[in-house]
Formats: sequence, C-alpha cells, structure tokens
Amino acid sequence: AQSVSQHNHHVILSEAASLELGCNYSYGGTVNLFWYVQYPGQHLQLLLKYFSGDPLVKGIKGFEAEFIKSKFSFNLRKPSVQWSDTAEYFCLSGSARQLTFGSGTQLTVLP
Amino acid sequence: DVKVTQSSRYLVKRTGEKVFLECVQDMDHENMFWYRQDPGLGLRLIYFSYDVKMKEKGDIPEGYSVSREKKERFSLILESASTNQTSMYLCASFRGSGNTIYFGEGSWLTVV
Repeated sequence: AQSVSQHNHHVILSEAASLELGCNYSYGGTVNLFWYVQYPGQHLQLLLKYFSGDPLVKGIKGFEAEFIKSKFSFNLRKPSVQWSDTAEYFCLSGSARQLTFGSGTQLTVLP
Repeated sequence: DVKVTQSSRYLVKRTGEKVFLECVQDMDHENMFWYRQDPGLGLRLIYFSYDVKMKEKGDIPEGYSVSREKKERFSLILESASTNQTSMYLCASFRGSGNTIYFGEGSWLTVV
C-alpha cells in the first residue's frame, strides 16, 4: 500500500522567509505526485503536479517542488513566503486506483 | 467551470438519521473517492469506487456505505448518523495515473 509522509505538522515563518515542506512517499511503481493547498474556509487547490520528465516542477504562486527518486521525496519550496500563503498544504500520491494523502502541514506566515 | 459537485454544502442531522451525501463529476472519470477531514487527523479515505457498481473500503469505512449506480455519481451514505461522524466530507474524482485529481468543495455535516 502507498503511504505519504509529511513530517512538518506546523511551520511558522516570517514574511520573506524561504519555505521547504517535506514529503516522502513509498511506492515502487509509477508515481504521480501532487501538492494541494487549502486556504482557510476554502476547498483544495492544485499547486503543482509531477508525472514524469523534469524533476523540478514549477507551480502556481511561485511554488516549486523537486522530485528526488532516490530519496522518495517531493519537497515543496518557495523562496519568499507571503502572509497570504498561510494555509494547509497536502502532498498526495496517486496511481491507477489510489489516492493517498499526507497528513498535511499547516503553514502560518507572520506579517 | 465546476467539475466535481457536492450538492449539500452544510447539513445538520439528528443522531440516528440516515444521511446521503452526493457527489457528481462531469469528466467521465472512473475513479471516485470519499474522504473525511478532521482537525489534526488530515484526510482519511472512507470508500472509493473505480467503476460503476464497484467499490472498495478505505481506511475508515465503519458506519458508512456507498453507492455508484452511474459513472458520474458517487453517494456516501450514513445509515444511522452518530455525533462522531460530525466532520467535513470531501469527494474526489480522478481518471487515473498521469492525470489531475479534482476535488469537490466539501460537505460540512453536523450530527446533533
């Protein structure tokens, strides 16, 4: 069975700080990896996705993620966070019939 | 362009009532999922379906059942609602490997 681990449960940063949220997955076959964001009171929105090809993936709102196969990792990064990035971030792994969520990371950005 | 619709956004039900949560997608996806989201517990899979009339249990199926009579509609059923089923329920739709996952806006259920 697939599993997805997000080790940071709550991250607090000041504006302009750099962000890196960890995501590790366990699955030996084809990987489909996603990062979704959930702003307070809103539904899940896709930040970026990786299916194959260039392991450095650029998403919306200045986010990017790097797929490192040898480490089974797909960490989310942003060079300079803003107060509006305060939200919960979910890493997902998807295959033919499974969607597996990480436990989520709550990011709080202080103005 | 709404793609996954959860018709009931906010519901309040009494203990013991039967509750239906509906999810409809217009993308002809085979795979549909029901999750519940609770503070501190993340999103937990209740059931999923990979085709009409096909279903599989997720991590927390107890107290729930599902129905997939048509490809576009996946219903979550609480046969006898209990207060510990107060939660936000989220539907997802997914064509499969190599495709984007689409989520509904969530259904907030309160059982009193």
